[in-house]
Amino acid sequence: SQQGEEDPQALSIQEGENATMNCSYKTSINNLQWYRQNSGRGLVHLILIRSNEREKHSGRLRVTLDTSKKSSSLLITASRAADTASYFCATDADSEGTYKYIFGTGTRLKVLA
Amino acid sequence: DAGITQSPRHKVTETGTPVTLRCHQTENHRYMYWYRQDPGHGLRLIHYSYGVKDTDKGEVSDGYSVSRSKTEDFLLTLESATSSQTSVYFCAISGSSGALRETQYFGPGTRLLVL
Repeated sequence: SQQGEEDPQALSIQEGENATMNCSYKTSINNLQWYRQNSGRGLVHLILIRSNEREKHSGRLRVTLDTSKKSSSLLITASRAADTASYFCATDADSEGTYKYIFGTGTRLKVLA
Repeated sequence: DAGITQSPRHKVTETGTPVTLRCHQTENHRYMYWYRQDPGHGLRLIHYSYGVKDTDKGEVSDGYSVSRSKTEDFLLTLESATSSQTSVYFCAISGSSGALRETQYFGPGTRLLVL
């Protein structure tokens, strides 16, 4: 089973609206990351949040982390058509420092112009 | 995709044929990874390398082998390709310390079809 599970699997919104996607994981982590993947391309790193952080911002992105619930959310504010992509969370499930990350199955976001 | 190339980008092969995919980086990063991406499974780690000639297995390593003889190259070999290995394969790299260590940078991917 996946360490990270994103929810919802797919999301369709109008341009200008906010998009929220969630990630749940099973084991303790040092950090959690979010990546974006445009169709047919590789993943691009968006933001990293450490286990001792609760919220982090980067431009129109806001990430929260609740380690008690083993969950994270990614909020994209004022969405644009260019935000259409799949979004993945990744957790460092290995505490031995080998930095093996486990990726979730992703949320497909479609922003309608 | 800066600094990471994968070759070939597309390949069609037959069951039972050996296949080698190449990942080449110009960033001099220590860590390199091979993932496969399939619908409903997200990205799954096949093998990774933490230095020249130092490799370890990931989540789905059966049927795959890797080699890293130089810092810049990480090869993934399907010893005898099967239809279940039809997938998109991504290479990723990360640096040695700090933020570079924690962040993975991905290549453009290789689409492999095994008939």
